[in-house]
Amino acid sequence: AQSVTQPDIHITVSEGASLELRCNYSYGATPYLFWYVQSPGQGLQLLLKYFSGDTLVQGIKGFEAEFKRSQSSFNLRKPSVHWSDAAEYFCAVGSNDYKLSFGAGTTVTVRA
Amino acid sequence: DVKVTQSSRYLVKRTGEKVFLECVQDMDHENMFWYRQDPGLGLRLIYFSYDVKMKEKGDIPEGYSVSREKKERFSLILESASTNQTSMYLCASKAGANYGYTFGSGTRLTVV
Repeated sequence: AQSVTQPDIHITVSEGASLELRCNYSYGATPYLFWYVQSPGQGLQLLLKYFSGDTLVQGIKGFEAEFKRSQSSFNLRKPSVHWSDAAEYFCAVGSNDYKLSFGAGTTVTVRA
Repeated sequence: DVKVTQSSRYLVKRTGEKVFLECVQDMDHENMFWYRQDPGLGLRLIYFSYDVKMKEKGDIPEGYSVSREKKERFSLILESASTNQTSMYLCASKAGANYGYTFGSGTRLTVV
């Protein structure tokens, strides 16, 4: 069975500081991995995805993620956080994407 | 701009009522999904459909059914609403393998 763990429920970061959100997955084969962001009252927006190839993936809004097979991880990073990055972030894993399993989410608060 | 539209942002229904949540996509996507989102649990898959009139159970189908009579529309039905079905419901669609989901803005359902 596939599953995703996001160890951090809530992270507070200062504007301009770097951000890293952790994601660990359990999956029997090569996973399809995703990061989504949800602003308050909104649906989820795709930030980036990994299927194969280069293990460092670039996404929208200045985010990147690195796939590490040996650690079963797909951590999301941003070098310099903006106040508009305050949101909830979800990591997801699946096969050919028909059934994605989502983590419980990490809420990011940005302080001035 | 491509869209997944959920007909209601907020709904309040009484216990025992039959509830219909509607989702329409304008991208000619084959696959559509219904998730529910609860704090601390992330998103859980209720049902999905990979073609007109086709449906498959997700991880938590109990108490729900779905209908897909047309490619663009995927309806979630609560046969007899209960208070434990109070939640945020998210509809999504995708074009096929190697594509991410496009989500609607969600319907927040309260059953009283």
